[in-house]
Amino acid sequence: QKEVEQNSGPLSVPEGAIASLNCTYSDRGSQSFFWYRQYSGKSPELIMFIYSNGDKEDGRFTAQLNKASQYVSLLIRDSQPSDSATYLCAVIGTNAGKSTFGDGTTLTVKP
Amino acid sequence: DGGITQSPKYLFRKEGQNVTLSCEQNLNHDAMYWYRQDPGQGLRLIYYSQIVNDFQKGDIAEGYSVSREKKESFPLTVTSAQKNPTAFYLCASMSQGPNNQPQHFGDGTRLSIL
Repeated sequence: QKEVEQNSGPLSVPEGAIASLNCTYSDRGSQSFFWYRQYSGKSPELIMFIYSNGDKEDGRFTAQLNKASQYVSLLIRDSQPSDSATYLCAVIGTNAGKSTFGDGTTLTVKP
Repeated sequence: DGGITQSPKYLFRKEGQNVTLSCEQNLNHDAMYWYRQDPGQGLRLIYYSQIVNDFQKGDIAEGYSVSREKKESFPLTVTSAQKNPTAFYLCASMSQGPNNQPQHFGDGTRLSIL
C-alpha cells in the first residue's frame, strides 16, 4: 500500500461544475496536509493546506480533512478551464522533516 | 524577491559523466529537498537536509549525491551510476517550526541523456 494514494484519473468535468479530488494516507500520526497544483511542464504550486479536521475554504477551493478515516479531499467549485492541471496531495507524517506526495490526479475542465 | 533558484533549466548528460544541478534559496529555510519526477508520475524524494552539514537519503538515493555546506545551497550530483537519469528534477525548501509549513519549489531542471 502506498503511503499517500490519490484517486486515479484523469478526471474530466464541464466548466462550472464541482471537481472533487480525493486522497488517503496510511500514517495515522500525520498532522499536515497540502494540495499542490502542477501545470504541464511546470513546478508544483501550493493552493491549500489544512491541519485540523473539518473544512477549510479559500475562494473556489475547499479542503476537507477526516483524520479518523485518514482522508483528505479538495473540492473546486465553478471549475474553469484554467483549473486544468495535475493536483498533488502531500502529507507530513510522523517524520516531520519530510512530505510524502501522491501520484497526482489530472483534471481537465471542458468549456 | 525571495525564492528558490534552480539552474540550469535544461541539462544534457553524456554516458559516464557526472553532472551537478544547482539549488539556491534566499528564504532562510532550514530544510531543503530534491525530488525526481518522471512523466505522468508523482514526486519521489531523492535526498533531504534539515540542517547544514547533515542530510538523509530519501526513497531513491542510489546514483545521486548531495552536499549542504551552506544553508542557502543544496546541490545535487547525478552520478554515472544512475543509469536512467532522464527526468524532471525539483528542489524544494521548507521552514521548520511548531507548525508544519508547506514546501516551496524551484522551477526545476530537465535532465536528458545525449
